[in-house]
Amino acid sequence: RKEVEQDPGPFNVPEGATVAFNCTYSNSASQSFFWYRQDCRKEPKLLMSVYSSGNEDGRFTAQLNRASQYISLLIRDSKLSDSATYLCVVNPGNNRKLIWGLGTSLAVNP
Amino acid sequence: DTGVSQDPRHKITKRGQNVTFRCDPISEHNRLYWYRQTLGQGPEFLTYFQNEAQLEKSRLLSDRFSAERPKGSFSTLEIQRTEQGDSAMYLCASSLGGQGQETQYFGPGTRLLVL
Repeated sequence: RKEVEQDPGPFNVPEGATVAFNCTYSNSASQSFFWYRQDCRKEPKLLMSVYSSGNEDGRFTAQLNRASQYISLLIRDSKLSDSATYLCVVNPGNNRKLIWGLGTSLAVNP
Repeated sequence: DTGVSQDPRHKITKRGQNVTFRCDPISEHNRLYWYRQTLGQGPEFLTYFQNEAQLEKSRLLSDRFSAERPKGSFSTLEIQRTEQGDSAMYLCASSLGGQGQETQYFGPGTRLLVL
């Protein structure tokens, strides 16, 4: 089993739709979690950290479920500009390096 | 600009040539990572440094790849005897390691094409 797994998609949604991605992780001791966004042929950029209590930033909501070992990203009222690949990143703790998922591709259509 | 920088941004080379890429991290960051990424894939870990020490190197990395961070600041990644399969985007990231909320910040990448 991979340490971090994501559904590669692609997710094709119309403008204004709500879309959710999940990311599962195998190490129950993992300490912290992040979502990055990557546009085509660009570098990944931090979208948001994921906190235990869940957190929201505008149209984006991130949640952590430690019992089931997954994190989620919810995008409401999706815009054309949200089209990108969304990468899940896990800090496994114990001073180890961050672990990256392969990404979920989102295409928002007019 | 206080972000991560990489040089060159693009490199075209012939098979069998050696290439070297440079990464300048955010100045106060102690960790520096190298990744490789091909189209449709997430970043593939290559190696990382904490200060000047190379802490881990991917088993996928052949002996043709070597990285250095001599003074714990900038880093270089060298690929010897390049092969067409080395064509990819090479990403560098830096962070303040050893913290629960370690966050990586990426440079713009070096896009390598081996002919």
